[in-house]
Amino acid sequence: KAGVTQTPRYLIKTRGQQVTLSCSPISGHRSVSWYQQTPGQGLQFLFEYFSETQRNKGNFPGRFSGRQFSNSRSEMNVSTLELGDSALYLCASSLVMGRSTDTQYFGPGTRLTVL
Amino acid sequence: SQQGEEDPQALSIQEGENATMNCSYKTSINNLQWYRQNSGRGLVHLILIRSNEREKHSGRLRVTLDTSKKSSSLLITASRAADTASYFCQYSGAGSYQLTFGKGTKLSVIP
Repeated sequence: KAGVTQTPRYLIKTRGQQVTLSCSPISGHRSVSWYQQTPGQGLQFLFEYFSETQRNKGNFPGRFSGRQFSNSRSEMNVSTLELGDSALYLCASSLVMGRSTDTQYFGPGTRLTVL
Repeated sequence: SQQGEEDPQALSIQEGENATMNCSYKTSINNLQWYRQNSGRGLVHLILIRSNEREKHSGRLRVTLDTSKKSSSLLITASRAADTASYFCQYSGAGSYQLTFGKGTKLSVIP
């Protein structure tokens, strides 16, 4: 099976712009989670989608949003970019939602730089 | 913050030595998993230990879980240069679906 893919891999934006990141989960996986990773804050949970519905949300402002399509592919959007949004954004897929025994399979990440 | 703590934050050892990393958390948990991340890339799952297990082995990896101390440790035996990476624990609080990562330990194995 193909792994989790994320596009684009690298992105440079300026403050105030918006950005959309895409994630294609492993075939058959219905849960997609998004994480932000920065040197200072580590891995922070953004949100989780299952069956096209947001099931869990981390502590991030409303500028961060996402959605999931019927084929389980997911996008996340960040509006009005700030310098602090520069980070590695990781997508992970798993068979079902947030079950602690499920392994999450991670994509390579999208490196976002905000200038 | 519910984020777990891992120590040490960084660890540098010689090839062939053992490496031990610890993860502490604040709430009761369901299960705990360990992941590895090579520099700036995605995470790779290493091992799952269930809340009713105390120790688990997988190849050169040994994981322990002490729920009374709210801590877990990951031991890598006979380390190799290829083990150089950051290691993270991940868990969900009892009754919660949200998965939380620890802050990670950056391991450097010197050839």
